[in-house]
Amino acid sequence: DAKTTQPNSMESNEEEPVHLPCNHSTISGTDYIHWYRQLPSQGPEYVIHGLTSNVNNRMASLAIAEDRKSSTLILHRATLRDAAVYYCILRAPDGQNFVFGPGTRLSVLP
Amino acid sequence: DVKVTQSSRYLVKRTGEKVFLECVQDMDHENMFWYRQDPGLGLRLIYFSYDVKMKEKGDIPEGYSVSREKKERFSLILESASTNQTSMYLCASSLYGVNQPQHFGDGTRLSIL
Repeated sequence: DAKTTQPNSMESNEEEPVHLPCNHSTISGTDYIHWYRQLPSQGPEYVIHGLTSNVNNRMASLAIAEDRKSSTLILHRATLRDAAVYYCILRAPDGQNFVFGPGTRLSVLP
Repeated sequence: DVKVTQSSRYLVKRTGEKVFLECVQDMDHENMFWYRQDPGLGLRLIYFSYDVKMKEKGDIPEGYSVSREKKERFSLILESASTNQTSMYLCASSLYGVNQPQHFGDGTRLSIL
């Protein structure tokens, strides 16, 4: 699987939008972009995934650059419960497992 | 909601012991996975299974084995525990398919003394 690069940590204020970036300059044309998050003392949790088009669900939005070399996870209104480590992962069509990097630790300030 | 249950939240064992970590999922998922998570190293895949009695090595299978006799249950076995296997162990399951989300348990923190 191709590699992703994320900032080690980010801070946000409660009720403000958060934009979590991910660079994946070696992405192949068929790799999907997945996001997971891990809250303290829990296992990772699926957030969202996409291929080329922007995606929305009840948890977040995923904005994918036109050249697909980067993407951004958007939390529209951060809450204290969104404080977690966020992982950006690429998955090849023939891959069944994930490769988790160190992720971005998001702190949400009240 | 999918539930992945790991048998223990915390476990303490001694060097040389045979250790069993159990994982059960309740959604009839084909795929099951075992990871370990260590500070600074992220999650690393140990073994995974596509079906009953099938297993595939992940990135770090040495010192581990697995068993999948029933679809809902996936066991990780440390044949002879060593201190470098002290870690957080995470089990996950998913439907078959590259874009099926993985559902994780809350982990077992294993300490080998």
